[in-house]
Amino acid sequence: QSALTQPPSASGSPGQSVTISCTGTSSDVGAYNYVSWFQQHPGKAPKLMIYEVSKRPSGVPDRFSGSKSGNTASLTVSGLQAEDEADYYCNSYTGSNNPYVFGTGTKVTVL
Amino acid sequence: EVQLVESGGGLAQPGGSLRLSCVVSGFTFTNYWMHWVRQAPGKGLVWVSRINSDGRTTNYADSVKGRFTISRDNAKNTLFLQMDSLTAEDTAVYFCARTSFDYWGHGTLVTVSS
Repeated sequence: QSALTQPPSASGSPGQSVTISCTGTSSDVGAYNYVSWFQQHPGKAPKLMIYEVSKRPSGVPDRFSGSKSGNTASLTVSGLQAEDEADYYCNSYTGSNNPYVFGTGTKVTVL
Repeated sequence: EVQLVESGGGLAQPGGSLRLSCVVSGFTFTNYWMHWVRQAPGKGLVWVSRINSDGRTTNYADSVKGRFTISRDNAKNTLFLQMDSLTAEDTAVYFCARTSFDYWGHGTLVTVSS
């Protein structure tokens, strides 16, 4: 199972928006509405930010939103803040014997 | 408060073995599938294995199949990962995570080197 494809980096100024893509196939992202997004600061555990494509866990700011079209999912961070600078990973259910696959990761920089 | 605490990492020789543990608290362990996810130094997250709530159903990534064994002790709220035939490519921080990846441990570092 190949990793989902994400851009290596993305950036924006405080207050701006940034959108990260996550491209899979018709066997994973395109087949199931089980795409999640994680934020990871250096040396820390990943934190769930979005699940089931567009749902936010309790406590996650509504500045974070998710969507999906075909085989590509997206995470948008609106109103960028300094603390949003982190690595972001997508994840999709695949329905196979390797049931989950992560994305390659995107480093978000707040300029 | 939900907590997951991994332990058991350390230095292992190529071809050697390690057993990781993940002790959980703050939720009913027996109600949840559990995962192991790893992250090599400077690299991305990679799903490793999962186990269902009663321990009878398991899945593995192709890269560890036949070498790693996931298990659990529901009486002790503990998840395990037995890692055998280790190679340098298994060097990583290993995280345990709950069913929907909504809670994670802090990770334990495994280094495979001679």
